[in-house]
Order: sequence, then C-alpha cells, then structure tokens
Amino acid sequence: AQSVTQLGSHVSVSEGALVLLRCNYSSSVPPYLFWYVQYPNQGLQLLLKYTSAATLVKGINGFEAEFKKSETSFHLTKPSAHMRDAAEYFCAVRAGGKLQFGAGTQVVVTP
Amino acid sequence: DAEITQSPRHKITETGRQVTLACHQTWNHNNMFWYRQDLGHGLRLIHYSYGVQDTNKGEVSDGYSVSRSNTEDLPLTLESAASSQTSVYFCASSESVADTDTQYFGPGTRLTVL
Repeated sequence: AQSVTQLGSHVSVSEGALVLLRCNYSSSVPPYLFWYVQYPNQGLQLLLKYTSAATLVKGINGFEAEFKKSETSFHLTKPSAHMRDAAEYFCAVRAGGKLQFGAGTQVVVTP
Repeated sequence: DAEITQSPRHKITETGRQVTLACHQTWNHNNMFWYRQDLGHGLRLIHYSYGVQDTNKGEVSDGYSVSRSNTEDLPLTLESAASSQTSVYFCASSESVADTDTQYFGPGTRLTVL
C-alpha cells in the first residue's frame, strides 16, 4: 500500500520569499511521485513528476522537487514566490496504476 | 487541442434523486477516472476504467456507478443522492496504465445534495 502525507494544510509566504511544501510518502514498491497544482475553481494541473530518472525534478512555473529515498520525502520548492502561485498543491504517489493523493496544502502569497 | 470536459459545472439536487455527471475527453485515452474532492481528504478515487466495457471500483465507490460504452465518455451516476455526496467531482484520463504516466484532469463539477 502507498500513501502520502503533506505537512501543513496552509502555508503563507511573502512575495519573493522561498516556497517550501513538504510531502512524505510511504510505499512498498519504488514510488512514482507527482505534484499537482489547483488554481481556484479549476481542475488539477501537473507541476512535475518523479519517475526515477533523476532525483531533482524541475517542473513548470519555476518549481522543483527533490526525491530523497532515505527520508521518504519529495518536497516542493520555488526560490521566489509570486502572487500567481496562490493555489492549492497536492502531492500524489502512484503504484498499481492508481494515484493516491495527499490532503493538499493551500498556499497564500502576501505582498 | 485535446481536452477533458465535465458537465454540468454546478448542480444542486435533492436527497434520493438520481444524478448523472458527464465526462468527455478528446485525448483518445483508454484510461478514465472519477475522483471526489473533500476538505482534508485531498482527492479520493471513486471508479475507474481501463477501456470500453471495463469498469472498476475505487476507494469510495459505494453509492456510485459508471459505465463505459465508448472511449470518450465515462458518466458517473449517483443512484440515490445523499447529503454525504455533496462534493466536488473531478474526471481524469491517462494514455496508459504505466505508473509514470500523467493523469489529465477536467475542471470539476460542484454537486450539492440538499
């Protein structure tokens, strides 16, 4: 069985500051990990995914995530937050063809 | 451009009524999924299909059904709507069942059961 835990349901960051969203996974098989973003009143959009090719994964909109097997983590970062980054972010693990989502982290960006 | 659409975008219904939510994709993907999104739970899988005439139960399938008669559509039916089924519903599709494959999501349907 596999699962993900996202630490912090709400994160507030200042514009221009580092964005760090935490995700830890549990999986009995090598995991494939995803970060999705959901803007208000929209569906989910893929930010990036880890497929074992490289531990540091770069995604869209300046986001990146690092897979750390020893820490069972896949934290999402962005060096400098922008107002348009205000959204909900979901970490997910996929095994056996099905996605298992975390509870989500709401990001608020303050001027 | 290929896309995945859902209708209606908003629906209010009464307890006990049958409701069908539509999902249509033009990606020509074999795999389609239905999720519900609730605060504090993220997205949970309701049903999924790996091809025409194939349907499978997900994590929270009780009270829901799906049928797949063609590649493009996977309608979700609530046989007798309950207040506990008030939620936002998302449809998704993917090209393959490979765990590395990306799922593409529709815009969602907000359902309220009174």
